[in-house]
Amino acid sequence: DQQVKQNSPSLSVQEGRISILNCDYTNSMFDYFLWYKKYPAEGPTFLISISSIKDKNEDGRFTVFLNKSAKHLSLHIVPSQPGDSAVYFCAASMNYGGSQGNLIFGKGTKLSVKP
Amino acid sequence: DTAVSQTPKYLVTQMGNDKSIKCEQNLGHDTMYWYKQDSKKFLKIMFSYNNKELIINETVPNRFSPKSPDKAHLNLHINSLELGDSAVYFCASSSGLPLAKNIQYFGAGTRLSVL
Repeated sequence: DQQVKQNSPSLSVQEGRISILNCDYTNSMFDYFLWYKKYPAEGPTFLISISSIKDKNEDGRFTVFLNKSAKHLSLHIVPSQPGDSAVYFCAASMNYGGSQGNLIFGKGTKLSVKP
Repeated sequence: DTAVSQTPKYLVTQMGNDKSIKCEQNLGHDTMYWYKQDSKKFLKIMFSYNNKELIINETVPNRFSPKSPDKAHLNLHINSLELGDSAVYFCASSSGLPLAKNIQYFGAGTRLSVL
């Protein structure tokens, strides 16, 4: 039973354009969301996060949008660069309860940015 | 100077054997984790240790036993290996308690193949 879903296994964009990666979740108790980036043969690296009390968080070229009513978040990368080519994982968590801090990951979306 | 290091990077072994994977972090973090990424690419938490004490133990067979000799190390010992144990195992660490807002830093992973 997938609580965090990334329905697009892959995405290809042109350098300089916007990349939009999507993530849906089913558990309304999640209150913290993160994006991790992973290159081949490396571990995931934290990219950006957002608390459920916000609807947007921005860090340089990366912006995460959260729509709680739709249980949907997205990661925007503008402008996209070839070095952004990687697998992007969406993760969700609750900061309370027995599963406190437990990250639930999606399956990832492989982004390819073409020069 | 690697922050979270795992050894070995690759491990090929026969069914029924016992093997260990080591993890060390030099970040001064209090919490360490083990994740399993299976063939379907899901990253799932297995264990979480805070200051050498078990915090999270997801439904993992008791053939898997984590051992934390000190807060900088969290080793994973697996008894009686089975074909289904084949996966990539990631170690991670974070400062403070295992809360989602405390960013997790991952090792490069150990690819375990059970023949």
